[in-house]
Amino acid sequence: SYVLTQPPSVSVAPGQTARITCGGNNIGSKSVHWYQQKPGQAPVLVVYDDSDRPSGIPERFSGSNSGNTATLTISRVEAGDEADYYCQVWDSSSDLDVFGTGTKVTVL
Amino acid sequence: EVQLVQSGAEVKKPGESLKISCKGSGYSFTSYWIGWVRQMPGKGLEWMGIIYPGDSDTRYSPSFQGQVTISADKSISTAYLQWSSLKASDTAMYYCARLAGGTVTNAAVDYWGQGTLVTVSS
Repeated sequence: SYVLTQPPSVSVAPGQTARITCGGNNIGSKSVHWYQQKPGQAPVLVVYDDSDRPSGIPERFSGSNSGNTATLTISRVEAGDEADYYCQVWDSSSDLDVFGTGTKVTVL
Repeated sequence: EVQLVQSGAEVKKPGESLKISCKGSGYSFTSYWIGWVRQMPGKGLEWMGIIYPGDSDTRYSPSFQGQVTISADKSISTAYLQWSSLKASDTAMYYCARLAGGTVTNAAVDYWGQGTLVTVSS
């Protein structure tokens, strides 16, 4: 099955930029979606189709996808961005969705 | 307003059966795929499987095939996840999730249920 690899943790100071990677074989050929999950809450979609934002998501959240790596970028990080982040793709070979391993973002 | 409302927390013993539910409202329930996602304590998200309530087309992730059953009753806009014999390792939060756009390929989850906590302990 298709494997998506994320770094377990990313630490960033307030006001700086956090970059969360999602690695997968030729992931650049797939549509990548990103979710934010805060403790005790259901996940929330923050970026879909590599780089689009749902309504209500700040412009500080952006995404890119090329080659074997997709990236979620959070600019001007705020304390409220502290959460777990997951990437997701559709694996056409298995006809199933797959989540990445998840990254905990800590705001210093 | 689109809503997915899940049934309440459950505490069960190993070997017992269980069926949890996810009721959709505010949209055409038969036109969107619904998936189930497991999150074990302190762990990440795992896709279990998906169902299209319009025709009950159902697909399972290999890890969950044969372990659970996903179904839907379109007459009451409700999807289900059931176990015939629970194990302690089934202890987890379970989320239902709607796939956007009415398609299964390359679709993001645009709406999530609030989650159902299942605890299996002797």
